[in-house]
Amino acid sequence: DTAVSQTPKYLVTQMGNDKSIKCEQNLGHDTMYWYKQDSKKFLKIMFSYNNKELIINETVPNRFSPKSPDKAHLNLHINSLELGDSAVYFCASGVGSYEQYFGPGTRLTVT
Amino acid sequence: LAKTTQPISMDSYEGQEVNITCSHNNIATNDYITWYQQFPSQGPRFIIQGYKTKVTNEVASLFIPADRKSSTLSLPRVSLSDTAVYYCLVVEGGFQKLVFGTGTRLLVSP
Repeated sequence: DTAVSQTPKYLVTQMGNDKSIKCEQNLGHDTMYWYKQDSKKFLKIMFSYNNKELIINETVPNRFSPKSPDKAHLNLHINSLELGDSAVYFCASGVGSYEQYFGPGTRLTVT
Repeated sequence: LAKTTQPISMDSYEGQEVNITCSHNNIATNDYITWYQQFPSQGPRFIIQGYKTKVTNEVASLFIPADRKSSTLSLPRVSLSDTAVYYCLVVEGGFQKLVFGTGTRLLVSP
């Protein structure tokens, strides 16, 4: 069984489009996260959700919006995509922040 | 925020012990240090965490000096499969901030 899954694995789209990335975890964790990893492999946290409440929001453009329908899901919606949004996006879950379980990543390419 | 600094890359040979150091000069009293491993095209994987002194698990040891301004991940007897990027993560302020280091690319050769 996959602990943290993301869909799609690859996403190619044009500038200005709106897209969503889905994340699901079956570990029963209370906290879920979204990270962005750029071409230089820097890993930066974007959001985290604890019991459906946003607890971190790291100066991310408001074009990005996390949506959590329940504790097991944290989706990432992106409006008006820009070239600079091209990156690998990782979802993660954990009990607190110490030990996080990461998904396989979604490679987003904006053309 | 506790800024973290790691060496960009390290080289080693199979069977050797590898020590990767992370500098976090501004670490706060209630901050913890964790390390992650990342293989190409995969998400990071948790290795170990610690607060002070020494922590050991089945894959690695973590050494943290008394001033806690740095930490060292020790991988005993590395193999080719340990070739990966290793990230130091300082968990700040009761989970309010998560700051990853720049990552150290470890290359293990035969």
